[in-house]
Amino acid sequence: GAGVSQSPRYKVAKRGQDVALRCDPISGHVSLFWYQQALGQGPEFLTYFQNEAQLDKSGLPSDRFFAERPEGSVSTLKIQRTQQEDSAVYLCASSLAGDGYEQYFGPGTRLTVT
Amino acid sequence: AQTVTQSQPEMSVQEAETVTLSCTYDTSESDYYLFWYKQPPSRQMILVIRQEAYKQQNATENRFSVNFQKAAKSFSLKISDSQLGDAAMYFCAYRSQGGSEKLVFGKGTKLTVNP
Repeated sequence: GAGVSQSPRYKVAKRGQDVALRCDPISGHVSLFWYQQALGQGPEFLTYFQNEAQLDKSGLPSDRFFAERPEGSVSTLKIQRTQQEDSAVYLCASSLAGDGYEQYFGPGTRLTVT
Repeated sequence: AQTVTQSQPEMSVQEAETVTLSCTYDTSESDYYLFWYKQPPSRQMILVIRQEAYKQQNATENRFSVNFQKAAKSFSLKISDSQLGDAAMYFCAYRSQGGSEKLVFGKGTKLTVNP
């Protein structure tokens, strides 16, 4: 079946612009995660949902970052007033809910803020 | 908070040889999961192997095996009979049992396989 998909794959934004990144999880996956991966670093957790409920948003770096999953399927990560330090690859992952289930990752969206 | 440390930024191995990637972690929890993920240059992360902390037996998946030392908080990955397709970034990750399902990643080890 289809894996996790993300769009756009590449996004260039001027500093101060708002951006919206989309994630389509694997059908039937209850949990959805967002990670930020800076160049040469490991992914860092941003937030996650179980269905439409945002259970943990402890990794969001500032109030400019906002995520939603209104119908428990597709999720959008929005970054307002982008800054250069927001440049990174944003990874989405999905999984079945519960202990130890594998997270399946999408290809990521590479955001470059100029 | 849990932390994961990968002390080898880069490693190289000859094709068909064996290589071991190191990972240590810090936690006060007794129940958790550990993972090794592979990220090829195309950037899609895929799971290589996982280990439940309550299991004493080390996990194996074909040419991939782990050495899990719970008391030492060490979780190394051994790749046997290395292949060119094994070249990638490898990330060690930690997940608590219960509570948040988030993964905590190390900074990664870049593995080069020489023909």
